[in-house]
Amino acid sequence: DTGVSQNPRHKITKRGQNVTFRCDPISEHNRLYWYRQTLGQGPEFLTYFQNEAQLEKSRLLSDRFSAERPKGSFSTLEIQRTEQGDSAMYLCASSFPFGSYNEQFFGPGTRLTVL
Amino acid sequence: KQEVTQIPAALSVPEGENLVLNCSFTDSAIYNLQWFRQDPGKGLTSLLLIQSSQREQTSGRLNASLDKSSGRSTLYIAASQPGDSATYLCAVYFTGNQFYFGTGTSLTVIP
Repeated sequence: DTGVSQNPRHKITKRGQNVTFRCDPISEHNRLYWYRQTLGQGPEFLTYFQNEAQLEKSRLLSDRFSAERPKGSFSTLEIQRTEQGDSAMYLCASSFPFGSYNEQFFGPGTRLTVL
Repeated sequence: KQEVTQIPAALSVPEGENLVLNCSFTDSAIYNLQWFRQDPGKGLTSLLLIQSSQREQTSGRLNASLDKSSGRSTLYIAASQPGDSATYLCAVYFTGNQFYFGTGTSLTVIP
């Protein structure tokens, strides 16, 4: 499978715990994006990387959220001290800015439930 | 602040009907606009991408148009089928690395 993959697909955690999600982009894509989606809403942009550099962060990304892409390949999104309001679908996308004009391709998402 | 709006929020049509979904955005300084389909509980599937310099793109029964000056895009679906039932989202890549999605149009095609 050469698409974007995300793990885990589902995560249930108790309030106050830390969680980490992983995204593996399409191999030749150098841009990687994280979004959050709540029920009935469109995805909200959180952050994006070009190679290993984090180039943009939304104001939605509080201090409890951190994202990394250490070698310019896979990325991790960590949420510390989770709150019930963090319950959402976390989506990852990747793109190649040239040729395909930055068309984004999405993974299946990680659904987080904070109890 | 840039905004992306989709109207209607929900649409129900009989099978075989042609339909149009609308997307409007507040700033004409865009890099591209992308239409997606999302099935319940799933990720997003890219349908069409229109660059800022283009007026329209076509893929099979789908045609997307872009009018930057008026801040509008439409997605036209011809001869709708029950398998087209899903939520359709438009996403705008504004210059300045700002990415915004609309809230989507939930489409139901009735057999």
